[in-house]
Amino acid sequence: GQQLNQSPQSMFIQEGEDVSMNCTSSSIFNTWLWYKQDPGEGPVLLIALYKAGELTSNGRLTAQFGITRKDSFLNISASIPSDVGIYFCAGQLGQGAQKLVFGQGTRLTINP
Amino acid sequence: KAGVTQTPRYLIKTRGQQVTLSCSPISGHRSVSWYQQTPGQGLQFLFEYFSETQRNKGNFPGRFSGRQFSNSRSEMNVSTLELGDSALYLCASSYGGPGSGQPQHFGDGTRLSIL
Repeated sequence: GQQLNQSPQSMFIQEGEDVSMNCTSSSIFNTWLWYKQDPGEGPVLLIALYKAGELTSNGRLTAQFGITRKDSFLNISASIPSDVGIYFCAGQLGQGAQKLVFGQGTRLTINP
Repeated sequence: KAGVTQTPRYLIKTRGQQVTLSCSPISGHRSVSWYQQTPGQGLQFLFEYFSETQRNKGNFPGRFSGRQFSNSRSEMNVSTLELGDSALYLCASSYGGPGSGQPQHFGDGTRLSIL
């Protein structure tokens, strides 16, 4: 099935470091979303982006909707142990559909 | 405010059986979508429902079906189970209808294992 290209696939960082991950697509999306999934749980919405060029923050998280509407990035500043998990980007076409297309995920591991 | 509730959390079935999974959306949410999550394929869209009507369907065989009730609760059914159907099945709800752009909120899923 269709998927977004998310990178990196995994990251091993020290506590306190900043993190950056991104997603690209060959298709245009009207909405970009970022989710975090912990083991045994469903994805939790972190940030939703609705407008090309939009930059949105949620605490230590910052995400941007690319100008071309084909990409998005997520930054996490000053990482802490509870940031460990798998981060997914998702694109939504809209146009009469709620369907989300997901990236493969970025697994974040933090060394204390 | 209660989140999306999925039951059961875990299920073990054998090949050839059928299974029904249940999803109760967040109160007030009328749109429900289903996704399959596997290590190999990641998160894949199954179908979405709004006002008791299937609005979109992903690329899955006809063994996968679903429905939505008047109270927005939804069920999905998989018949003639195959080993490859082992996965985490996730339900997501959103306030608006198809194309509204309202973000989807996920439940914790049903872990289906096929023996």
